[in-house]
This record gives sequence, C-alpha cells and structure tokens, in this order.
Amino acid sequence: DVKVTQSSRYLVKRTGEKVFLECVQDMDHENMFWYRQDPGLGLRLIYFSYDVKMKEKGDIPEGYSVSREKKERFSLILESASTNQTSMYLCASRVSGFGGYTFGSGTRLTVV
Amino acid sequence: ELKVEQNPLFLSMQEGKNYTIYCNYSTTSDRLYWYRQDPGKSLESLFVLLSNGAVKQEGRLMASLDTKARLSTLHITAAVHDLSATYFCAVDLNSNYQLIWGAGTKLIIKP
Repeated sequence: DVKVTQSSRYLVKRTGEKVFLECVQDMDHENMFWYRQDPGLGLRLIYFSYDVKMKEKGDIPEGYSVSREKKERFSLILESASTNQTSMYLCASRVSGFGGYTFGSGTRLTVV
Repeated sequence: ELKVEQNPLFLSMQEGKNYTIYCNYSTTSDRLYWYRQDPGKSLESLFVLLSNGAVKQEGRLMASLDTKARLSTLHITAAVHDLSATYFCAVDLNSNYQLIWGAGTKLIIKP
C-alpha cells in the first residue's frame, strides 16, 4: 500500500522555536507539496518541489522554508514559529504529469 | 489564472435525499479529481475523471465531468449519515505540477 507519512500527528511548539515537519513518500513520486489548512480558508499551498533539491514557492511561503535532499523526503521548516502558524499541515505527493495527490495524515501544529 | 469554484460551500440535508455538488473551473482542463475529508483527518481520493464525459460511481456517490462546460458534478443519492464530510474538487492544469483546489463543500447529513 503506497504511503505518504508525516512524522507527527500533533505538535505543540513555543513561539520563536525552529520547527521541522517531515514528510516521506514511498511511491517514487517526483512532486511533493506542503499545504496548510485553516477553517474557512481551504487548502493553501506553501511550497512544492518537482525534483530533488528543486523547490517552488506557493501562495503563502512567508515564514517557511523547505528542503528536499532525497526524492522521498520533503521537509517543511518554520524558521521562527509564530502563533499565526498554528494550523493543520498537509503533505502530498504525485507522479509527474498524471494522477492526483496522495496525502499524508496531516500534522496539527499548535504554536503557543 | 485558473479558478475553481465549488457550490454550495455548505449543505445540510436529510438522510434519504438526493443532492448535487458543483465544481466549475475557469480554464481548459480534462482532468479533475474529487476528494473527501472527514473532520480532523486528511484528504482521501474519491474519483479521478480524465476525459470529457467521464462518469465514475461508488456507492451513493457519482461524479461526472463536462470539459466543454468546465463543470464537474458530485451527485449524492439517498444520502446517509456516513457521507457527512467535506468534499473537494481539484483541477489539473495540463502544463503544471500542482492541482488547483476548490474551497470545499461541507456536507452534513442529518438522520
């Protein structure tokens, strides 16, 4: 069964901390994505990557960075967490050109 | 800029009724996806529609795609409480990596 695995389901971090959210897929997909989801705002794309070491900004990249050193792993980094980054974070992957996304189970991050 | 609009955004209905969720998009595409999200959970794939006139059905849900009208529908037949969820459509731009998402339709089915 193909999978996208996010390392944590729930995280609580303090304001100003550097936060790493990890995502690993076992499907050999080229493309990986990070979204955040907030009530009433739908899915908003933070960053995506179409290849190892390649990244593109999405709609709301401010305050975030990403890393993709290996094809199967895409990390989201909150450089200095703030309370307005409290959200559900969803990682997804897809094969190039065709097919929908496969989502991870999500990480609910609370910044206090 | 591609826009994807779902309506309604919220729907409360009684068990046993039929209803349709609409997904309109603003530019040419022949690939559209439907997802389901339960409260507090991630998104799961429901249907993949890859050509004009495509129709897919699973249980009480049926999805269709009209690429000329730039419209997809998700039809619910004889709704049951277990179908309560938020439903998203997403459109594939043919020359892009990412899907463009609708805002989601929150469906509540009352016993």
